[in-house]
Amino acid sequence: GAGVSQSPSNKVTEKGKDVELRCDPISGHTALYWYRQSLGQGLEFLIYFQGNSAPDKSGLPSDRFSAERTGGSVSTLTIQRTQQEDSAVYLCASSLVLGGHPPGASLPSAFFGQGTRLTVV
Amino acid sequence: RKEVEQDPGPFNVPEGATVAFNCTYSNSASQSFFWYRQDCRKEPKLLMSVYSSGNEDGRFTAQLNRASQYISLLIRDSKLSDSATYLCVVTSLSGGYNKLIFGAGTRLAVHP
Repeated sequence: GAGVSQSPSNKVTEKGKDVELRCDPISGHTALYWYRQSLGQGLEFLIYFQGNSAPDKSGLPSDRFSAERTGGSVSTLTIQRTQQEDSAVYLCASSLVLGGHPPGASLPSAFFGQGTRLTVV
Repeated sequence: RKEVEQDPGPFNVPEGATVAFNCTYSNSASQSFFWYRQDCRKEPKLLMSVYSSGNEDGRFTAQLNRASQYISLLIRDSKLSDSATYLCVVTSLSGGYNKLIFGAGTRLAVHP
């Protein structure tokens, strides 16, 4: 597709259930980010994938959260045993990042999907 | 200390006003800088890149001061449609690659 695609666009789940959120990045983009945004709040970094490198998981809030990126393309964010505080919009972004980029040069920016609005009841 | 800090606002300004947003970053090795705009209940979208020499796009001017680790965005002749949250973005090395770090954003409300 032309842009970053996320599914589902809305998800309502019961507390304690597991959910899977999907992100389909722009074709050829090597970097993929997951962010979370609660109502009226800023973006909270969750996890970053870059090519075949080990992901940067430093933003995951607990071990109930995990993410995979298969084949360097589609990513799935899984939340186990959901809690009400997990309710938020989950945003995925992708970017074309080249290895060995010369210092001082501008790097490509990131493009966001429209997000998945998760409501835990 | 957060890697990217912004005044959360909100900035409430009348139409036609000039408004300036500031952003500071902590990583002196950051290489690239951007301003994003996020409308209510929408995803963030790139507004403009920020270059060392400063750059302008119509009513918008971005400045970078590497020595002070400071980025600014100036909006002249504000329009109602400029009402949004403006996010400052810098890069940070992670595993040998540059990762984008987003500030929490500054809210702008332009009123008639």
